[in-house]
Amino acid sequence: ETAVFQTPNYHVTQVGNEVSFNCKQTLGHDTMYWYKQDSKKLLKIMFSYNNKQLIVNETVPRRFSPQSSDKAHLNLRIKSVEPEDSAVYLCASSYSGQLYFGEGSKLTVL
Amino acid sequence: QQKVQQSPESLIVPEGGMASLNCTSSDRNVDYFWWYRQHSGKSPKMLMSIFSNGEKEEGRFTVHLNKASLHTSLHIRDSQPSDSALYLCAASANYGNEKITFGAGTKLTIKP
Repeated sequence: ETAVFQTPNYHVTQVGNEVSFNCKQTLGHDTMYWYKQDSKKLLKIMFSYNNKQLIVNETVPRRFSPQSSDKAHLNLRIKSVEPEDSAVYLCASSYSGQLYFGEGSKLTVL
Repeated sequence: QQKVQQSPESLIVPEGGMASLNCTSSDRNVDYFWWYRQHSGKSPKMLMSIFSNGEKEEGRFTVHLNKASLHTSLHIRDSQPSDSALYLCAASANYGNEKITFGAGTKLTIKP
């Protein structure tokens, strides 16, 4: 049963364009995350928010910017995409340490 | 450098056999471990967690944890084709809100 919703599920764009991914969770959790999963399936944390506050900000290029309007929503904007940004972006929320992932947003940069 | 190392990278087990997966953290601050399973084209889902030394069993799945060596292992007995998936080990130094780091995963294939 999906409780972490991501849109869009797929996005194809060209180098230099801007793209945004949206995430909403209906679990009532306080903490939300963005992870990037590359073509080798390596899952890397990018950002985490606790109740709209940024608490983890890994070393990601400045063109990535997260935004949280409330604890149920966490969006990710990529200002000027590069080929290496092609990946699946996974949003998650957590409770007692357990992560609940959305279905992912697959980005392809041509 | 990955702080969470998993082995083997891939594993083929006959149906009905035992699969054993390993995970070690190089971060001495780590206190908590989880195992996630990711089927092809799907997102990861938590399988089991272990926070104390020893063993935990849930059905066909058993996890072990040795906190001194920061090593955890996942064992699947009577493996089924539906167990074929990527198994990801996750570790954290703080229960709940802190950074949860994943290993590169073990790709498990169960051969009918």
